Amino acid sequence: GDSVTQMEGPVTLSEEAFLTINCTYTATGYPSLFWYVQYPGEGLQLLLKATKADDKGSNKGFEATYRKETTSFHLEKGSVQVSDSAVYFCALSARGSTLGRLYFGRGTQLTVWP
Amino acid sequence: GAVVSQHPSWVICKSGTSVKIECRSLDFQATTMFWYRQFPKQSLMLMATSNEGSKATYEQGVEKDKFLINHASLTLSTLTVTSAHPEDSSFYICSANTFSPRDNFPDEQYFGPGTRLTVT
Repeated sequence: GDSVTQMEGPVTLSEEAFLTINCTYTATGYPSLFWYVQYPGEGLQLLLKATKADDKGSNKGFEATYRKETTSFHLEKGSVQVSDSAVYFCALSARGSTLGRLYFGRGTQLTVWP
Repeated sequence: GAVVSQHPSWVICKSGTSVKIECRSLDFQATTMFWYRQFPKQSLMLMATSNEGSKATYEQGVEKDKFLINHASLTLSTLTVTSAHPEDSSFYICSANTFSPRDNFPDEQYFGPGTRLTVT
């Protein structure tokens, strides 16, 4: 079945450090891939997405590239800020699904120190 | 972007009572909404898929008599936790899809801000 495996945290970085959070997936067909961010006490916000192979999603300095050959969608940011501290979730949605159900990874807690 | 609201944002209730949580799509119609439960420092667990005008589809292991879902209109789904117990304390999150006008398949999923339930 469809699933997402996400790098376990927590991840602790100093401000301006480089961030990578690994995400790999298993799916039948070609899913759409997403990164969501959750700030403390809040719901999830879509950070970026990619809907086909080699697409690069980007937002707020974060990037992720849909790699079909490695079934990966790793999240990267060149220079993190304290305000990026949050939990990050990788997710997939089966292409052509009429319901749009999302399959989530376990989440990675990121803490950025000044 | 589309907005999904939840009410209340937090609630404290006594063991044995029932609690209703509302999920509304404010600026779009949602034929399908999803209810998730999130434990501290853990991922979201899909509880059920709420379908407008029909019965909800529950995930394996979720008690349908315990967690009643009603999707009465295209903009409102409710989750009622019946006879709540302390182990039901959790963060409940709902979500809804917008649909692409191109192919009518789900486009993006928008999440509500969540409801913190504490059962004493």
